[in-house]
Amino acid sequence: AQSVTQLDSHVSVSEGTPVLLRCNYSSSYSPSLFWYVQHPNKGLQLLLKYTSAATLVKGINGFEAEFKKSETSFHLTKPSAHMSDAAEYFCVVSDRRSKTDTGRRALTFGSGTRLQVQP
Amino acid sequence: NAGVTQTPKFRVLKTGQSMTLLCAQDMNHEYMYWYRQDPGMGLRLIHYSVGEGTTAKGEVPDGYNVSRLKKQNFLLGLESAAPSQTSVYFCASISAGEEETQYFGPGTRLLVL
Repeated sequence: AQSVTQLDSHVSVSEGTPVLLRCNYSSSYSPSLFWYVQHPNKGLQLLLKYTSAATLVKGINGFEAEFKKSETSFHLTKPSAHMSDAAEYFCVVSDRRSKTDTGRRALTFGSGTRLQVQP
Repeated sequence: NAGVTQTPKFRVLKTGQSMTLLCAQDMNHEYMYWYRQDPGMGLRLIHYSVGEGTTAKGEVPDGYNVSRLKKQNFLLGLESAAPSQTSVYFCASISAGEEETQYFGPGTRLLVL
């Protein structure tokens, strides 16, 4: 079974400084990985996804993540934080084994990282 | 195209009462899911369906039942609500092809007293 570990439950940065949210995964096959963001009392929004194409994935709002198989990591970064980035971020792995897999294709979520952006 | 919708948005129940949460999607997706989200945790899978007429258990199925009588609808039932079921419930769907992205509904906030 796959799992996801978000290494920081809370990260605080100043506006305009870089953001790094760390995620490690465990999977017995080449996984699909995602980052979702959730603003307070809101639903989930997909930031970006990795599905075995380019290892550096660019997402919305200036975020990007790099898939590193040797380190089993999928860290989320942004060069310059904005106040509107303050939210909860979830690293997620899919249990889909391949593009032809017809299994349940459910998602396993990390416990989340709350990003605080100071003015 | 409304995407994934959930009804109701918020509900308060007393212990022992029953209710049904409705999830509807208009994207002709095969797969549908129910997750719950609790404070300090990510979403956990309750039940899922890989097609009309089929359902299966996820990681935390106890106390819940589901039905998928129509392809576009996925119902989550609580027969006898308990305070431990106080949570935010999210529905999601994906297509059966190569598309990987799960589309989430806005969530249903449930409080069981």
